[in-house]
Amino acid sequence: EPEVTQTPSHQVTQMGQEVILRCVPISNHLYFYWYRQILGQKVEFLVSFYNNEISEKSEIFDDQFSVERPDGSNFTLKIRSTKLEDSAMYFCASSGAGAGANVLTFGAGSRLTVL
Amino acid sequence: QKEVEQDPGPLSVPEGAIVSLNCTYSNSAFQYFMWYRQYSRKGPELLMYTYSSGNKEDGRFTAQVDKSSKYISLFIRDSQPSDSATYLCAARDTEGYQKVTFGTGTKLQVIP
Repeated sequence: EPEVTQTPSHQVTQMGQEVILRCVPISNHLYFYWYRQILGQKVEFLVSFYNNEISEKSEIFDDQFSVERPDGSNFTLKIRSTKLEDSAMYFCASSGAGAGANVLTFGAGSRLTVL
Repeated sequence: QKEVEQDPGPLSVPEGAIVSLNCTYSNSAFQYFMWYRQYSRKGPELLMYTYSSGNKEDGRFTAQVDKSSKYISLFIRDSQPSDSATYLCAARDTEGYQKVTFGTGTKLQVIP
Protein backbone atom coordinates (compact mmCIF):
# COMPACT_ATOMS: atom_id res chain seq x y z
CA GLU A 1 0.00 0.00 0.00
CA PRO A 2 1.36 3.45 -0.88
CA GLU A 3 2.64 5.43 2.05
CA VAL A 4 3.95 8.87 2.97
CA THR A 5 7.55 8.76 4.11
CA GLN A 6 9.05 11.31 6.49
CA THR A 7 12.62 11.97 7.52
CA PRO A 8 14.13 12.36 10.02
CA SER A 9 12.03 10.47 12.54
CA HIS A 10 13.53 12.54 15.34
CA GLN A 11 15.61 15.69 15.27
CA VAL A 12 17.10 17.53 18.21
CA THR A 13 18.22 21.09 17.60
CA GLN A 14 19.29 24.17 19.49
CA MET A 15 17.00 27.17 19.70
CA GLY A 16 17.65 29.55 16.83
CA GLN A 17 18.88 26.87 14.44
CA GLU A 18 17.26 26.09 11.11
CA VAL A 19 15.67 22.72 10.53
CA ILE A 20 14.33 21.07 7.41
CA LEU A 21 11.84 18.25 7.66
CA ARG A 22 11.40 16.10 4.58
CA CYS A 23 8.50 14.17 3.19
CA VAL A 24 7.89 11.98 0.16
CA PRO A 25 4.14 12.08 -0.53
CA ILE A 26 2.22 9.41 -2.41
CA SER A 27 3.25 9.72 -6.04
CA ASN A 28 -0.09 10.42 -7.71
CA HIS A 29 -1.40 12.76 -5.03
CA LEU A 30 -1.91 16.42 -5.80
CA TYR A 31 -2.34 18.07 -2.40
CA PHE A 32 0.33 18.16 0.25
CA TYR A 33 0.03 19.23 3.84
CA TRP A 34 1.95 19.80 7.02
CA TYR A 35 0.27 19.37 10.39
CA ARG A 36 1.82 19.43 13.82
CA GLN A 37 0.93 17.92 17.16
CA ILE A 38 2.38 19.30 20.35
CA LEU A 39 2.61 16.57 22.96
CA GLY A 40 -0.78 15.93 24.50
CA GLN A 41 -2.56 18.38 22.22
CA LYS A 42 -4.59 18.11 19.06
CA VAL A 43 -3.32 17.75 15.53
CA GLU A 44 -3.16 21.28 14.05
CA PHE A 45 -3.15 22.34 10.42
CA LEU A 46 -0.11 24.32 9.30
CA VAL A 47 -0.19 24.59 5.54
CA SER A 48 -1.45 23.05 2.33
CA PHE A 49 0.33 23.07 -1.01
CA TYR A 50 -1.11 22.55 -4.47
CA ASN A 51 0.22 23.20 -7.94
CA ASN A 52 3.55 24.37 -6.56
CA GLU A 53 2.18 27.03 -4.30
CA ILE A 54 0.69 27.45 -0.86
CA SER A 55 -3.08 27.17 -1.10
CA GLU A 56 -3.90 27.76 2.55
CA LYS A 57 -2.02 28.37 5.76
CA SER A 58 -2.89 28.79 9.40
CA GLU A 59 -1.90 31.57 11.75
CA ILE A 60 0.73 29.23 13.16
CA PHE A 61 2.52 29.23 9.80
CA ASP A 62 4.32 32.54 10.19
CA ASP A 63 7.40 33.93 8.44
CA GLN A 64 9.63 31.44 10.23
CA PHE A 65 8.08 28.61 8.24
CA SER A 66 8.36 27.81 4.57
CA VAL A 67 7.52 24.87 2.35
CA GLU A 68 8.95 23.71 -0.90
CA ARG A 69 8.60 20.93 -3.42
CA PRO A 70 12.08 21.08 -4.88
CA ASP A 71 12.13 18.13 -7.24
CA GLY A 72 8.64 16.79 -7.91
CA SER A 73 8.85 14.07 -5.30
CA ASN A 74 10.02 15.63 -2.03
CA PHE A 75 8.02 18.10 0.03
CA THR A 76 9.89 19.99 2.73
CA LEU A 77 9.06 22.12 5.73
CA LYS A 78 11.73 24.58 6.83
CA ILE A 79 11.76 26.36 10.15
CA ARG A 80 14.26 29.19 9.89
CA SER A 81 14.98 29.98 13.52
CA THR A 82 13.54 27.41 15.86
CA LYS A 83 11.91 28.33 19.15
CA LEU A 84 11.27 26.15 22.18
CA GLU A 85 7.56 26.13 21.37
CA ASP A 86 8.26 24.58 17.96
CA SER A 87 8.93 21.30 19.73
CA ALA A 88 6.26 18.97 18.39
CA MET A 89 5.55 16.06 16.11
CA TYR A 90 5.28 17.27 12.53
CA PHE A 91 3.13 15.22 10.18
CA CYS A 92 3.22 15.40 6.43
CA ALA A 93 0.11 14.28 4.56
CA SER A 94 -1.04 14.04 0.98
CA SER A 95 -4.32 13.53 -0.82
CA GLY A 96 -5.81 13.28 -4.25
CA ALA A 97 -8.40 15.61 -5.77
CA GLY A 98 -12.19 15.48 -5.81
CA ALA A 99 -13.56 12.87 -3.42
CA GLY A 100 -9.98 11.78 -2.82
CA ALA A 101 -9.33 15.08 -1.09
CA ASN A 102 -11.08 13.67 1.95
CA VAL A 103 -8.61 10.84 2.22
CA LEU A 104 -5.52 12.34 3.80
CA THR A 105 -2.71 9.86 4.14
CA PHE A 106 -0.35 10.82 6.93
CA GLY A 107 3.27 9.92 7.41
CA ALA A 108 4.59 8.56 10.70
CA GLY A 109 5.83 12.00 11.68
CA SER A 110 9.07 13.77 12.50
CA ARG A 111 9.59 14.55 16.15
CA LEU A 112 11.33 17.90 16.62
CA THR A 113 12.89 18.71 19.96
CA VAL A 114 14.18 22.25 20.42
CA LEU A 115 16.55 22.76 23.33
CA GLN B 1 -14.82 28.19 21.37
CA LYS B 2 -13.00 25.16 20.00
CA GLU B 3 -14.26 24.18 16.56
CA VAL B 4 -14.25 20.45 17.26
CA GLU B 5 -14.50 19.12 20.80
CA GLN B 6 -13.96 15.64 22.10
CA ASP B 7 -13.85 14.06 25.51
CA PRO B 8 -10.18 13.05 25.87
CA GLY B 9 -10.97 9.96 27.95
CA PRO B 10 -9.33 7.61 28.57
CA LEU B 11 -12.13 5.19 27.86
CA SER B 12 -11.58 1.64 29.03
CA VAL B 13 -13.89 -1.18 27.89
CA PRO B 14 -13.78 -4.99 27.97
CA GLU B 15 -13.17 -6.90 24.76
CA GLY B 16 -16.37 -7.42 22.81
CA ALA B 17 -18.07 -4.29 24.11
CA ILE B 18 -19.75 -1.71 21.91
CA VAL B 19 -17.81 1.54 22.03
CA SER B 20 -19.36 4.93 21.46
CA LEU B 21 -17.10 7.88 20.73
CA ASN B 22 -18.53 11.36 20.34
CA CYS B 23 -17.65 14.84 19.20
CA THR B 24 -19.38 18.16 18.90
CA TYR B 25 -18.50 20.96 16.55
CA SER B 26 -19.34 24.62 16.27
CA ASN B 27 -18.66 25.58 12.66
CA SER B 28 -21.86 25.33 10.60
CA ALA B 29 -19.79 25.36 7.40
CA PHE B 30 -18.40 21.89 8.11
CA GLN B 31 -19.78 19.40 5.61
CA TYR B 32 -17.30 16.53 5.66
CA PHE B 33 -16.67 14.58 8.84
CA MET B 34 -13.90 12.09 9.42
CA TRP B 35 -12.71 9.66 12.02
CA TYR B 36 -9.02 8.93 12.31
CA ARG B 37 -7.27 6.38 14.45
CA GLN B 38 -3.84 7.16 15.87
CA TYR B 39 -1.59 4.62 17.50
CA SER B 40 1.10 5.83 19.85
CA ARG B 41 3.91 7.66 18.02
CA LYS B 42 2.27 7.12 14.63
CA GLY B 43 0.46 9.38 12.21
CA PRO B 44 -3.35 9.51 12.07
CA GLU B 45 -4.95 6.88 9.86
CA LEU B 46 -8.30 7.57 8.23
CA LEU B 47 -11.03 5.15 9.29
CA MET B 48 -13.96 6.66 7.43
CA TYR B 49 -15.56 9.87 6.34
CA THR B 50 -19.11 11.01 5.79
CA TYR B 51 -20.69 13.89 3.96
CA SER B 52 -23.35 15.93 5.73
CA SER B 53 -25.83 14.16 8.03
CA GLY B 54 -26.40 10.43 8.05
CA ASN B 55 -24.82 7.10 8.82
CA LYS B 56 -22.01 5.17 7.24
CA GLU B 57 -20.99 1.65 8.09
CA ASP B 58 -17.71 -0.11 7.42
CA GLY B 59 -17.34 -3.49 9.01
CA ARG B 60 -17.43 -3.10 12.78
CA PHE B 61 -17.38 0.70 12.54
CA THR B 62 -20.37 3.00 12.11
CA ALA B 63 -20.10 6.78 11.81
CA GLN B 64 -23.08 9.04 12.46
CA VAL B 65 -23.45 12.74 11.84
CA ASP B 66 -26.33 14.87 13.07
CA LYS B 67 -25.85 18.33 11.64
CA SER B 68 -28.92 19.72 13.40
CA SER B 69 -27.24 19.16 16.75
CA LYS B 70 -23.65 19.38 15.45
CA TYR B 71 -22.89 15.96 16.85
CA ILE B 72 -20.55 13.31 15.43
CA SER B 73 -20.37 9.73 16.65
CA LEU B 74 -18.33 6.62 15.97
CA PHE B 75 -19.53 3.22 17.13
CA ILE B 76 -17.25 0.22 17.29
CA ARG B 77 -18.94 -3.16 17.59
CA ASP B 78 -17.26 -6.23 19.06
CA SER B 79 -14.27 -4.18 20.16
CA GLN B 80 -10.88 -5.86 20.04
CA PRO B 81 -7.63 -5.16 21.93
CA SER B 82 -6.18 -4.06 18.58
CA ASP B 83 -8.72 -1.22 18.57
CA SER B 84 -6.83 0.34 21.49
CA ALA B 85 -5.70 3.71 20.14
CA THR B 86 -6.61 7.37 20.16
CA TYR B 87 -9.60 8.22 17.97
CA LEU B 88 -9.71 11.65 16.40
CA CYS B 89 -12.78 13.20 14.93
CA ALA B 90 -12.22 15.81 12.27
CA ALA B 91 -14.15 18.03 9.93
CA ARG B 92 -13.74 20.33 6.98
CA ASP B 93 -15.95 22.61 4.93
CA THR B 94 -16.63 22.22 1.22
CA GLU B 95 -14.55 25.15 0.09
CA GLY B 96 -11.19 24.18 1.47
CA TYR B 97 -9.79 20.79 0.67
CA GLN B 98 -6.93 21.92 2.64
CA LYS B 99 -7.72 22.50 6.24
CA VAL B 100 -8.99 19.59 8.27
CA THR B 101 -9.84 20.58 11.82
CA PHE B 102 -9.22 17.89 14.40
CA GLY B 103 -10.59 17.25 17.84
CA THR B 104 -8.21 16.49 20.66
CA GLY B 105 -8.84 12.74 20.42
CA THR B 106 -10.28 10.12 22.75
CA LYS B 107 -7.92 7.47 24.04
CA LEU B 108 -9.55 4.03 23.97
CA GLN B 109 -8.28 0.95 25.73
CA VAL B 110 -9.91 -2.41 25.05
CA ILE B 111 -9.07 -4.87 27.79
CA PRO B 112 -8.77 -8.56 26.85
